[in-house]
Amino acid sequence: DGGITQSPKYLFRKEGQNVTLSCEQNLNHDAMYWYRQDPGQGLRLIYYSQIVNDFQKGDIAEGYSVSREKKESFPLTVTSAQKNPTAFYLCASSIGINRDNQPQHFGDGTRLSIL
Amino acid sequence: AQSVTQPDIHITVSEGASLELRCNYSYGATPYLFWYVQSPGQGLQLLLKYFSGDTLVQGIKGFEAEFKRSQSSFNLRKPSVHWSDAAEYFCAVGAKAGTASKLTFGTGTRLQVTL
Repeated sequence: DGGITQSPKYLFRKEGQNVTLSCEQNLNHDAMYWYRQDPGQGLRLIYYSQIVNDFQKGDIAEGYSVSREKKESFPLTVTSAQKNPTAFYLCASSIGINRDNQPQHFGDGTRLSIL
Repeated sequence: AQSVTQPDIHITVSEGASLELRCNYSYGATPYLFWYVQSPGQGLQLLLKYFSGDTLVQGIKGFEAEFKRSQSSFNLRKPSVHWSDAAEYFCAVGAKAGTASKLTFGTGTRLQVTL
């Protein structure tokens, strides 16, 4: 079955550490996205990518970095500069090129906690 | 910039009763609107979408939504709620970002169903 796989499901980080969250999709989608979800705040866009080797900052990119070396993969690194990283992180994808406003499909998320 | 307001943080209904979840949006052009549902610890699942055409949109799981341009609303409805509908519901408005689609989410409405 096609879908989006996020790993790990739970992740713990020590103060001062960088951690990388994995997101893989086999939907052949061009566009991919990372969101952060905090209680009572809905989802906020961190980064998005329209195509391989391209990405743009979203609304809350500070303290995060991404790469898009392969169409299927869009890993998110939470750096030590992110002062409040505890949250639920969701990866999504959409068809992208030449397909206006197609819906986004979501993975099951990674919950990041600080030790 | 677009925005979405879900005025009800928490709603409780009895199983078998009807349901309406409110969503108001702000967007300068014709909006692309979505409703997603999220079970605890899971990703988001698309319930339905509105791009254009018929203002009453049918979705999965017996849900429907009506787009009312004059009221800037896109309320979600279900005639008879089942206990399995208990979840958090998010309304979102989409805007093109190059060939991607940036979604702006409301803060969500948590639905509780009593037996």
